[in-house]
Amino acid sequence: DAKTTQPNSMESNEEEPVHLPCNHSTISGTDYIHWYRQLPSQGPEYVIHGLTSNVNNRMASLAIAEDRKSSTLILHRATLRDAAVYYCILNAGGTSYGKLTFGQGTILTVHP
Amino acid sequence: EAQVTQNPRYLITVTGKKLTVTCSQNMNHEYMSWYRQDPGLGLRQIYYSMNVEVTDKGDVPEGYKVSRKEKRNFPLILESPSPNQTSLYFCASRLSGKVGGREQFFGPGTRLTVL
Repeated sequence: DAKTTQPNSMESNEEEPVHLPCNHSTISGTDYIHWYRQLPSQGPEYVIHGLTSNVNNRMASLAIAEDRKSSTLILHRATLRDAAVYYCILNAGGTSYGKLTFGQGTILTVHP
Repeated sequence: EAQVTQNPRYLITVTGKKLTVTCSQNMNHEYMSWYRQDPGLGLRQIYYSMNVEVTDKGDVPEGYKVSRKEKRNFPLILESPSPNQTSLYFCASRLSGKVGGREQFFGPGTRLTVL
């Protein structure tokens, strides 16, 4: 599976935007870029996904580089509830699109 | 409410005593899978099911069994649990395993301790 590289941790202040980077230089043309987050003591939660174009939803925005070798998850106004581990995942077909390969993720700390 | 449920949420057992962790989803999803989460190792897939009566091994299937007799249920069976199966287990479901660009829904987790 193609791998992703994320910073181990990032910090933000409440109400400020947060940009979480992810490198995926070995991405192939059919790999979707997914972001999930895991709040303490909970299961992973879907945040957003994209293939080539930038995407927006109610939770976040996803900016994908033109060459698709990197992407950035943008939380427009961080809240304390956004403190979580954020996983950037390449969702490849192969056996199935159901398999998600989780790395270590980025621990996001949000300060009041 | 669309959800994935797991039972039990917490379980302490002893080596060799067979146990089953149930997983159920109410979204009519075709695809279901089990993951285990261990410190420093992230989430690893144990088994998955593309549809009813179709199951296959993930990355760490040793010591586990699954069955998919109904679309909504995907139980995880530990025939003879061992201490190295102490972990946090997550069940997940997805509309289809064949189509890209779909979100996956996770259950709340089952924390299993095998003594």
